[in-house]
Formats: sequence, structure tokens, C-alpha cells
Amino acid sequence: LAKTTQPISMDSYEGQEVNITCSHNNIATNDYITWYQQFPSQGPRFIIQGYKTKVTNEVASLFIPADRKSSTLSLPRVSLSDTAVYYCLVVNSGGGADGLTFGKGTHLIIQP
Amino acid sequence: GAVVSQHPSWVICKSGTSVKIECRSLDFQATTMFWYRQFPKQSLMLMATSNEGSKATYEQGVEKDKFLINHASLTLSTLTVTSAHPEDSSFYICSARVGREGEAFFGQGTRLTVV
Repeated sequence: LAKTTQPISMDSYEGQEVNITCSHNNIATNDYITWYQQFPSQGPRFIIQGYKTKVTNEVASLFIPADRKSSTLSLPRVSLSDTAVYYCLVVNSGGGADGLTFGKGTHLIIQP
Repeated sequence: GAVVSQHPSWVICKSGTSVKIECRSLDFQATTMFWYRQFPKQSLMLMATSNEGSKATYEQGVEKDKFLINHASLTLSTLTVTSAHPEDSSFYICSARVGREGEAFFGQGTRLTVV
């Protein structure tokens, strides 16, 4: 399993764009990158997933360079409600029967 | 997306008693479900993989006789914490993966407090 490393915590302000970078140097060819968001006392919620280049949905963008050894989750114009823990996971595409391995995550705090 | 529902959301029990937590997939069938445990300010730790119609697979260090898992149907898995003690107090979360790439959906979690 590819290990992920991301900042323990980040601070930002409402209306700003927030970028959280995750490194996964040992990512394998069949692995893809997935980000989850977790609020206190709730289960994680899927945000975005990608294999390479850029993926965008209504919530966030995910940038993955050519070497795929890192990825950046971009949250546009954050609000107070985006305060949460964000987890970067490397998931094997054929591992639908496997549980996920969570790292420590990034605690994002948004201030007014 | 798919919906995974847990019940109860929170429970308080006395030390030595057993507690059952239910995990249901509401709009899809899940042959495999996963149980995680999360202590305060820590990440999720995979406890076990629940397989419909067969025995669960436990992660190293997780006592199978203490954390009983039953996956009797394609939409229901249960976790029973037997002879609970205060150190079992934690946030328990279930999950199921859906589709070819196995996107994971999580229940809302169950806060267990053993007093």
C-alpha cells in the first residue's frame, strides 16, 4: 500500500482558495487518488477521485502531476463549513473488496 | 451516491454488557462491508472486513471474540462489542464499496461510551 503524507493542519479564511498537497511517492500503476472529508462525529464523505492530470467536480479540483507522486486538492472559495479533516488515500483499482487505509489527514480550519 | 446507514448514532452502556451496531446499505447490495474504529483526534483504523454469508476477516490486533461481526444479508452487517469496557469507548464507522473502482461510502458512525 502506498503511504501518503499530508500536512497535519492548515488555516485559511473565508473566500480564499485552499490547496492541500499530499505526497505518495510509492504509488503503483493501478492506484488512483481519492480524497475524503470528515466532520466531527460523522463518517467520511467522498470528495473527489482521480488517476492523472486534473479532475474537477462541483466541490473541488484535483491536480495530479505526470509522475503521480503527489496530488493537490483545491477547494475554491472556502467557507466556515469547510472546516474539517481531509484525507488523501491511494486506492488500488482492483481492490474493491479491500478496506481503505487512512493516514492522519489534514485538519483544515477556516476562519471568518 | 449510495447510502450507508448506521444505527444507533450513539449508545451508552455499562461495563461488561454487550452492544450491537447495525450497518445497512439502503439502495444497493453489499457483499462486503468494512468496520472502522476512530479514537478522538485520531484517524480511522480498519478493524475488520465483513463478508456476506461467511466469516469476517479481522485486522491484526483486533479480537474476533470481542468484536463479533455478522453479515447475514446483502444489506445488513452487524458489529457486536461483547463485554464492553471503557477502553472500547470509541467512534465506530461502517463502510461499503460500490462499483468497478470501489468508491467507498460510509455510515454516519456510532459513538459508543462504556461507563
